[in-house]
Amino acid sequence: DTGVSQDPRHKITKRGQNVTFRCDPISEHNRLYWYRQTLGQGPEFLTYFQNEAQLEKSRLLSDRFSAERPKGSFSTLEIQRTEQGDSAMYLCASSFSLGLGEQFFGPGTRLTVL
Amino acid sequence: AQTVTQSQPEMSVQEAETVTLSCTYDTSENNYYLFWYKQPPSRQMILVIRQEAYKQQNATENRFSVNFQKAAKSFSLKISDSQLGDTAMYFCAFMKRGGGSNYKLTFGKGTLLTVNP
Repeated sequence: DTGVSQDPRHKITKRGQNVTFRCDPISEHNRLYWYRQTLGQGPEFLTYFQNEAQLEKSRLLSDRFSAERPKGSFSTLEIQRTEQGDSAMYLCASSFSLGLGEQFFGPGTRLTVL
Repeated sequence: AQTVTQSQPEMSVQEAETVTLSCTYDTSENNYYLFWYKQPPSRQMILVIRQEAYKQQNATENRFSVNFQKAAKSFSLKISDSQLGDTAMYFCAFMKRGGGSNYKLTFGKGTLLTVNP
């Protein structure tokens, strides 16, 4: 069990550019979550996958955001036409549906939009 | 919708002493989990302790224990024998269980705990 990994750990981009983040969950976990955390706040839910199906998207997830989880393994989160307000830490978490609710978090990708 | 409130943005405690972090929540659900997560500086979030709402007994994990008051919708975390490694941001979180749940976590804003030598 190598834990949840995220890549890249840091991303600096210019406004208007597209960025893509990757999350590799714990291998036997069928649920995967994306959260966004801004400075001084707790993480906020963005979206949730069970296996390869995206079952819920938060209203925080504008049309510029898209997430995928092909084959129910790793997931990608893409932000198109980035804005300065997108600057945040993007956290990925995974869990097992037969577990006790615990979500295991990755180290996050810190996005800075200049 | 659920809300989680942590009214203490920052707290400090001396090493080896006991500290209590407060959390209140608002929900109309009856079946849920409550969690305390710890986020050390520049490190990833890890689970400290979990409480299932249907259990009356307060959860305990080594030096960490909770005081769960379901009627009052209160869920405080007590850390005994504080250690320097306990310095971190602590988040209280709520998760709905059962039918219709998406199992998402709703977090409070966090309490920054500093343990002083």
